[in-house]
Amino acid sequence: EIVLTQSPGTLSLSPGERATLSCRASQYVRNNYLAWYHLKPGQGPRLLIHAVSKRVTGIPDRFSGSGSGTDFTLTINGLEPEDLGVYYCQQYAGPYYGGSPETFGPGTKVEIK
Amino acid sequence: EVQLLESGGGLVRPGGSLRLSCAASGFTFDEYAMHWVRQAPGKGLEWVSLIGGSDANRRYADSVRGRFTISRDNSKNTLFLQMDSLRPEDTALYFCAKADCGDSACYVKDFWGHGTLVTVSS
Repeated sequence: EIVLTQSPGTLSLSPGERATLSCRASQYVRNNYLAWYHLKPGQGPRLLIHAVSKRVTGIPDRFSGSGSGTDFTLTINGLEPEDLGVYYCQQYAGPYYGGSPETFGPGTKVEIK
Repeated sequence: EVQLLESGGGLVRPGGSLRLSCAASGFTFDEYAMHWVRQAPGKGLEWVSLIGGSDANRRYADSVRGRFTISRDNSKNTLFLQMDSLRPEDTALYFCAKADCGDSACYVKDFWGHGTLVTVSS
């Protein structure tokens, strides 16, 4: 099973600042099978990015993803108040038979000062 | 507009059963795989189960295999999760989510419901 580690645990920034969120995998994530989700209190998660860097339609371009192999980054350029919440990375590279075919990281909580 | 509405959560004793439902609208239901994902209190997201669009394939997390059963009724655009032999560690907010494609290898979830709370306690 691929274990994901996210850092920092909590990020406290002011509006307009850049947020850099890290996601590290215990094994190589093949085919760039890595996504990012945003979870706000009282809502379901929202898909932001899949395949490392493909931004979903309707997601503002201040969100960008990068990385490869075992190290991935979500960058939010110019934080907005509505960006608060917890951000999860997800790998879906398997294994598909035996073990968990997908796993989530523990999350990074973004607070807006 | 895609909408997913979960229901069926509640308080149940250890060893008991519960059936969750997820009513879907706004897309062609049988063309997409569907998932259940849960979030225990104060914890992160945990994938639970997947069913392909045609119901041909189902997959489960090790933590629920043999106790939970995922199913779907494509005629009613509804996803289900039958949960048996419930344990306190199954206490969580359960989300249903739509996959971005139809087969059982579709793990990107492009739409989610708001969740239904399951509490397992004596």
